[in-house]
Order: sequence, then structure tokens, then C-alpha cells
Amino acid sequence: EAGVAQSPRYKIIEKRQSVAFWCNPISGHATLYWYQQILGQGPKLLIQFQNNGVVDDSQLPKDRFSAERLKGVDSTLKIQPAKLEDSAVYLCASSFITEQFFGPGTRLTVL
Amino acid sequence: RKEVEQDPGPFNVPEGATVAFNCTYSNSASQSFFWYRQDCRKEPKLLMSVYSSGNEDGRFTAQLNRASQYISLLIRDSKLSDSATYLCVVNLGSGTGNQFYFGTGTSLTVIP
Repeated sequence: EAGVAQSPRYKIIEKRQSVAFWCNPISGHATLYWYQQILGQGPKLLIQFQNNGVVDDSQLPKDRFSAERLKGVDSTLKIQPAKLEDSAVYLCASSFITEQFFGPGTRLTVL
Repeated sequence: RKEVEQDPGPFNVPEGATVAFNCTYSNSASQSFFWYRQDCRKEPKLLMSVYSSGNEDGRFTAQLNRASQYISLLIRDSKLSDSATYLCVVNLGSGTGNQFYFGTGTSLTVIP
């Protein structure tokens, strides 16, 4: 069974630039999550989709972060403009019931 | 107050040792509980779910105490391959209303 796919795996940008991450969940998983994991911390939920609707985006910094899942499958997460403190691993996960399956993550470095 | 609190460690134990990790959660309405394992520079992977009656999977035993809002993970006969970060995860929702909260993780290094 194919897992959660994410790209790119690594991204280095300068502050104030824009960046986008892509996620393809496991086929049939209606729920998709984007997490931010800063070094030494646990993953923090940014946004949760159920099909193409947003279930929870309470911790998404909406002045600079946006996410969409237009067709209820793939999702993109965008940061515009990036700040130094956005340096982290961005993890995408999907679930059918309660077990979450994570993608390999995108490691973002903001200089 | 954080939803989930864990002792970050690090725990450095010799091979063959028994080690226990603890986790507390703040919301008494939490529905389900999990331990995830995360290897260095890798994504988290489910280690085991935690049930009220306690559950065991080989060398791993998980316990839940709802009254004390406390979860534990016991690893017996530690192996070098057990070295990783162990994340405590609490779900406040269920089904389509899942709300997962992760602890900061507990780092374990098993020493030869």
C-alpha cells in the first residue's frame, strides 16, 4: 500500500519569500492533517481537513499560512511571507478512522 | 496549560534494561490514546494504542489511568533498535471529529 507522499523533501528560502508544500494522502483516507514540528518538540496541528472541508484551523497563523484541499485528495500548504521562526519540518498525515499515517515531511529552513 | 505533558528525558539505558515513560493529559473528555515512535529525522509511526484495560505487544506494555489522566509505556528487555523518541498522543474527538494532541516526546537511547 502506498504511503503518504510529500514534496519537496527539503526547502531552503530566505525570509519574506514564499513557499508551498504538497501532500498526497493514502487513497481512501478522508481526513488529512498538516503539522508543524519544530526541533525538540512534538508535532503541532496547523490544519485538519475532512474531505475538502476544514475541520480545525485554530492554530494556523492565517496572516501568512494558507492551505487547501480542493478535490478532497491532494493538499497544498503555503507560507507567504516566511519568517525565521517558520523553520521546521512540515508533516502531512492522513487517517481513515483514528490511526494517523505520516508522510516523510518537508524540512524547511528559512535564512 | 499544555494538553499533553511528557518528561522529555533523555533516558539513557543499557541493553536489557526496563524503562518506563509517563504522560499526563489535561482534558478529562479525551477519547483515545496512543504511543507513536519517531526515529531521528523520520516521521512518527504508531507504536500502539492505549486501552483502559492496559495492553501488551511483545516487550511493550501500555497503561491508561483515566482517573489520574495518566498514560504510561513500559519497555522490557531494551534493544539497541528501541532508541528513538516516543510521543504520547491524545485524541479529544472521535471519527471525523478527531483532535490529536502530541506531547513533546521522550528521547530514549539504549546503550550497548
